Amino acid sequence: EMQLVESGGNLVQPGGSLRLSCAASGFTFSSYSMTWVRQAPGKGLEWVSYISSSSSTISYADSVKGRFTISRDNAEDSLYLQMNSLRAEDTAVYYCARPDISYYYAMDVWGQGTTVTVSS
Amino acid sequence: DIQLTQSPSFLSASVGDRVSITCRASQGISSYLAWYQQKPGKAPKLLIYSASTLQSGVPSRFSGSESGTEFTLTISSLQPEDFATYYCQQFNSYLSSYTFGQGTKLEIK
Repeated sequence: EMQLVESGGNLVQPGGSLRLSCAASGFTFSSYSMTWVRQAPGKGLEWVSYISSSSSTISYADSVKGRFTISRDNAEDSLYLQMNSLRAEDTAVYYCARPDISYYYAMDVWGQGTTVTVSS
Repeated sequence: DIQLTQSPSFLSASVGDRVSITCRASQGISSYLAWYQQKPGKAPKLLIYSASTLQSGVPSRFSGSESGTEFTLTISSLQPEDFATYYCQQFNSYLSSYTFGQGTKLEIK
């Protein structure tokens, strides 16, 4: 069974840092691009970041550019999101998701989400 | 950046009704348009990709269509489990970036 499991969410003060992880299983992780998507409380979905299978292509939403860094370890089947200079508006459930080129880069596998709360 | 304008934001309907949700792109997005269903406290679920292709396992009462920069998700006969929030999403292959529509909350009348 294909599975993504996020971890690392926590309560953090404004200006603080946090590192999210996403562990993949049930598929060949190194063959797929990966993304982070977040959802603020009561709000819609917001794409955060994208990384290609080899890490050669990386992109970010303007709202996180310069503060967040996406990375992956294909040997460990893991995806990461380093979040620095956190703001209250970064409070959200963060999902990792797998785009599939077969589905025109739609995201067919999602994790359960991990909650980040930025508050003093 | 490409913008997606989804409408309506809220939709009230009854079991058995036929409903449609529209997603309008600010410019051409080729076939990189997907639809997702999300239930409270759960991750989104992929319903349709490439504007009109049904994801495996998704009931055939769901369908997608495209007309220029306007995309439509139709549910032919609402079932109780269909009451949820629906999002459209586009992938920009030049920038490797995504945009989601604002979402449509489908509620029971």
